Amino acid sequence: EPEVTQTPSHQVTQMGQEVILRCVPISNHLYFYWYRQILGQKVEFLVSFYNNEISEKSEIFDDQFSVERPDGSNFTLKIRSTKLEDSAMYFCASSEDFYGYTFGSGTRLTVV
Amino acid sequence: DAKTTQPTSMDCAEGRAANLPCNHSTISGNEYVYWYRQIHSQGPQYIIHGLKNNETNEMASLIITEDRKSSTLILPHATLRDTAVYYCIVRLSNDMRFGAGTRLTVKP
Repeated sequence: EPEVTQTPSHQVTQMGQEVILRCVPISNHLYFYWYRQILGQKVEFLVSFYNNEISEKSEIFDDQFSVERPDGSNFTLKIRSTKLEDSAMYFCASSEDFYGYTFGSGTRLTVV
Repeated sequence: DAKTTQPTSMDCAEGRAANLPCNHSTISGNEYVYWYRQIHSQGPQYIIHGLKNNETNEMASLIITEDRKSSTLILPHATLRDTAVYYCIVRLSNDMRFGAGTRLTVKP
């Protein structure tokens, strides 16, 4: 069964550093998403991406966040200057159509 | 998107049917009902979705009341691996937004 692949599975970074989280969506999917989950809290929507542009973003997705699809296969989330409160599990998802999202297994980001 | 209300937690015996309720009394005519689950810290997993009619797939059945104000997700023969947080989401066109969900514990 096709999968959404996320790398790395765990990343530790120092506060103030830039970090890039990588995702390889399912190949024929057109819609891409990032979500995050702070430990013990609910899954929070960050951003959706379609046709090479952001289609929707939440209030969490401020200027320190950016997304990019640098080639035909990767989808990245960049956090420019990490803060302690950015520590969370980050999930990438993709969908072929409007309905069912397929999520990756996540990247656990720890900011120290 | 309409708000949903789910019980915080439920238990189910292994091998029995798990019936997870969801209230969405403010649902509008074109909003779909979606169910996802999250096992431990894994990414959420799509289960099923529906608009008006009942739906069934290899994972579960979705029963939507005639007035569409509530729905029930049915796992026909729950196993220990079905222990997870189950999310009911009502959505028209915005992206998927997760609430707190129902923590289902399947017990031997």
